[in-house]
Amino acid sequence: GAGVSQSPRYKVAKRGQDVALRCDPISGHVSLFWYQQALGQGPEFLTYFQNEAQLDKSGLPSDRFFAERPEGSVSTLKIQRTQQEDSAVYLCASSYQAGGPGETQYFGPGTRLLVL
Amino acid sequence: DAKTTQPNSMESNEEEPVHLPCNHSTISGTDYIHWYRQLPSQGPEYVIHGLTSNVNNRMASLAIAEDRKSSTLILHRATLRDAAVYYCILRDYGRDSNYQLIWGAGTKLIIKP
Repeated sequence: GAGVSQSPRYKVAKRGQDVALRCDPISGHVSLFWYQQALGQGPEFLTYFQNEAQLDKSGLPSDRFFAERPEGSVSTLKIQRTQQEDSAVYLCASSYQAGGPGETQYFGPGTRLLVL
Repeated sequence: DAKTTQPNSMESNEEEPVHLPCNHSTISGTDYIHWYRQLPSQGPEYVIHGLTSNVNNRMASLAIAEDRKSSTLILHRATLRDAAVYYCILRDYGRDSNYQLIWGAGTKLIIKP
């Protein structure tokens, strides 16, 4: 079946531009996660949705970062006034539920953002 | 949060077994040990997880030390397609925010043909 998809796969932005990154989770998955991955590092948690509710946004690095999932399926991560330090791969993951020892997170291919 | 320590990189020959170690000396009783891997230019994918007993699935085996302070991911017969960064992650199911995966830098596995 279809996995998690993300678009665009690559994005080049000039410093100060706003960007929007899209995530299509696996159909029927309740939970959705965004992670940021700097070059050579492991992913870092940004935010978590259960259906349309954003239950945890503790990892968002600044108020320039905003995420939404209005209908409980597709999610958008928006970065306003991009800075060079925002350059990273942004990963989206979904899972059927959120917790439980056997719960697996399924990841998309990521969006590579380069801010010039 | 309990942390994990992994070697930065490892090399192995194709078609041979690979043992990827992970140290987690501060593991708590409610921490499950999860492994994910990330192939080049792809998102991470789940490999295996366990609590106390050794676990096997179609991808790999997970051997957990009796004191749970370390574990080893075993790929029984590595292929070139197994070249990836392997992450050992602890998930504390005693915490409300156990959905957060907390990643280290992982081990880059290089497979030599």
